[in-house]
Amino acid sequence: NAGVTQTPKFQVLKTGQSMTLQCAQDMNHNSMYWYRQDPGMGLRLIYYSASEGTTDKGEVPNGYNVSRLNKREFSLRLESAAPSQTSVYFCASSDTDRGRSNQPQHFGDGTRLSIL
Amino acid sequence: KQEVTQIPAALSVPEGENLVLNCSFTDSAIYNLQWFRQDPGKGLTSLLLIQSSQREQTSGRLNASLDKSSGRSTLYIAASQPGDSATYLCAVRRNNNDMRFGAGTRLTVKP
Repeated sequence: NAGVTQTPKFQVLKTGQSMTLQCAQDMNHNSMYWYRQDPGMGLRLIYYSASEGTTDKGEVPNGYNVSRLNKREFSLRLESAAPSQTSVYFCASSDTDRGRSNQPQHFGDGTRLSIL
Repeated sequence: KQEVTQIPAALSVPEGENLVLNCSFTDSAIYNLQWFRQDPGKGLTSLLLIQSSQREQTSGRLNASLDKSSGRSTLYIAASQPGDSATYLCAVRRNNNDMRFGAGTRLTVKP
């Protein structure tokens, strides 16, 4: 049971380049999330998806787009990367089916993204 | 807006000590509070989740308490070991998709 898998683990981009970060979970969770973690700050929610076919903005969505391809996969796209998007990106999933709000979130190991 | 603060930012203790990590939050209308462990270069691992109706949760040498009215939670680690060295983060959830994290406490346990 792999849990939450993120690819790639590391990436260096030039300003203006585009890139898609991939995330897949095998726990049959309905909710998936993308966070960014910056030094000295807590994780901040970028986008989330409560179910297949739905996505919503989180706290810091500007400069990002997402796609919930199916129940397992949730991708994050940077259309035109900027140095301010240098960060560690984490994908997470949780079981919020039938309104459950007391299930833990499970995290991937992160993608370390540097934009020059 | 929910703000989550963790104090101290870093803590160093000798092996065997009992220790307490603190987490405070500004909005008491929460569904649950979760404590995570993060090792360098890794993702977050859930340690304990306390529902809003609960006062504490225990797992092995870890005990987490929640005082919702005062906006505080503590993570107690008994008989600390070098393997406990990591960053510990707390997060509060207000609804299914609004989870706010503290910046974490970096713990070092010296042999």
